[in-house]
Amino acid sequence: DVVMTQSPLSLPVILGQPASISCRSSQSLVHSDGNTYLNWFQQRPGQSPRRLIYEVSKRDSGVPDRFSGSGSGTDFTLKISRVEAEDVGVYYCMQNTQWPPLTFGGGTKVEIK
Amino acid sequence: EVQLVESGGGLVQPGGSLRLSCTASGFTFSRYWMSWVRQAPGKGLEWVANMKQDGTEKYYVDSVKGRFTISRDNAKNSLFLQMNSLRAEDTAVYYCARGHVFEMWGQGTVVTVSS
Repeated sequence: DVVMTQSPLSLPVILGQPASISCRSSQSLVHSDGNTYLNWFQQRPGQSPRRLIYEVSKRDSGVPDRFSGSGSGTDFTLKISRVEAEDVGVYYCMQNTQWPPLTFGGGTKVEIK
Repeated sequence: EVQLVESGGGLVQPGGSLRLSCTASGFTFSRYWMSWVRQAPGKGLEWVANMKQDGTEKYYVDSVKGRFTISRDNAKNSLFLQMNSLRAEDTAVYYCARGHVFEMWGQGTVVTVSS
């Protein structure tokens, strides 16, 4: 199984400042079709998760452009260019290159400092 | 409005059974893989099972194989999860999600396994 490891566990940020979350996979996420299937999800307090990013860097509809995804192979990053109050929550990476099983990272909690 | 609505959660004793349902609206259900994802109290997300559009492929996380069964009724825009031999560690919020990359989620239904 592909193990997804996120860091940090907790990320205190100042409003208006950037934030960065790392996600590493135990195996390369490059699929035989040439694509890389790495996703990012946001879960605000008390809410269901919501997908933000798919295939490393493609934003879902309605996702603000302050969110961006990057990376390749086994190392990936979610960046928030300027953190807003509504960005508080837990962020998860997830791979769908080698499955089953589909695997999530452990989550990174973003909070306002 | 595009939405997924789960139901069927509740309190059940260890060894018991429960059947979860997910009703879809606002999109063509039969065109999508569908999935179940769960979240234990205070924990992260765990994929449970998913199913191809026509039901010909089904996959499960190892911890539920032989105990849980995913199914669907495309005519009724519904997804199901039959859960048998439930254990305390199955206690979680169970989410229905569209696709096998979870591009949309329901609000979840709570399953508590306890005596």
